[in-house]
Amino acid sequence: DSGVTQTPKHLITATGQRVTLRCSPRSGDLSVYWYQQSLDQGLQFLIQYYNGEERAKGNILERFSAQQFPDLHSELNLSSLELGDSALYFCASSVGGTLDNEQFFGPGTRLTVL
Amino acid sequence: AQSVAQPEDQVNVAEGNPLTVKCTYSVSGNPYLFWYVQYPNRGLQFLLKYITGDNLVKGSYGFEAEFNKSQTSFHLKKPSALVSDSALYFCAVRDTFKNNNDMRFGAGTRLTVKP
Repeated sequence: DSGVTQTPKHLITATGQRVTLRCSPRSGDLSVYWYQQSLDQGLQFLIQYYNGEERAKGNILERFSAQQFPDLHSELNLSSLELGDSALYFCASSVGGTLDNEQFFGPGTRLTVL
Repeated sequence: AQSVAQPEDQVNVAEGNPLTVKCTYSVSGNPYLFWYVQYPNRGLQFLLKYITGDNLVKGSYGFEAEFNKSQTSFHLKKPSALVSDSALYFCAVRDTFKNNNDMRFGAGTRLTVKP
């Protein structure tokens, strides 16, 4: 168990809808990262927050957004969902704010868009 | 922009034999290199990283990796494979050129260790 929690485990929704994925980092970690894993695209880094502020951005679509709250938990919002957004979404956390830090991954949220 | 390649989708080895999972990378500056492992229905787990210093990096579960700048490679190795090592392995790279903040993962290599 990495200490990173993600909810929900599974999410099934329809095209055009909006969903929110939640992540709680390990105790003491200030950084939260979001990743998308799909068969087509592999594992892709989406975005990183450090202590409430956006720190790094990867291949995140404009329809997606994230934030990190004062208690350091993070939410990833996915809107206008398309079939191709079906994937496993991972959250990870680390103590520091740079991408050379060891990251601890949560179990993931499996999103299915029908 | 940086990129990373894992040329083998699948690697099969017998238990007790040495294993190698290959990774090559492309960066503009100096690389930060990582190996992660993913077991079925689990998130990724960190194995090891190369930031600077000794080219041979030792990590978790007896794994090690060698940074080779001339060949732009960072192959993962273990002297004696276990059946429990069977999993999906990802190599990742971050290019430190101009404070790049992106991190790229390879497509993954599925390692199967047979008894």
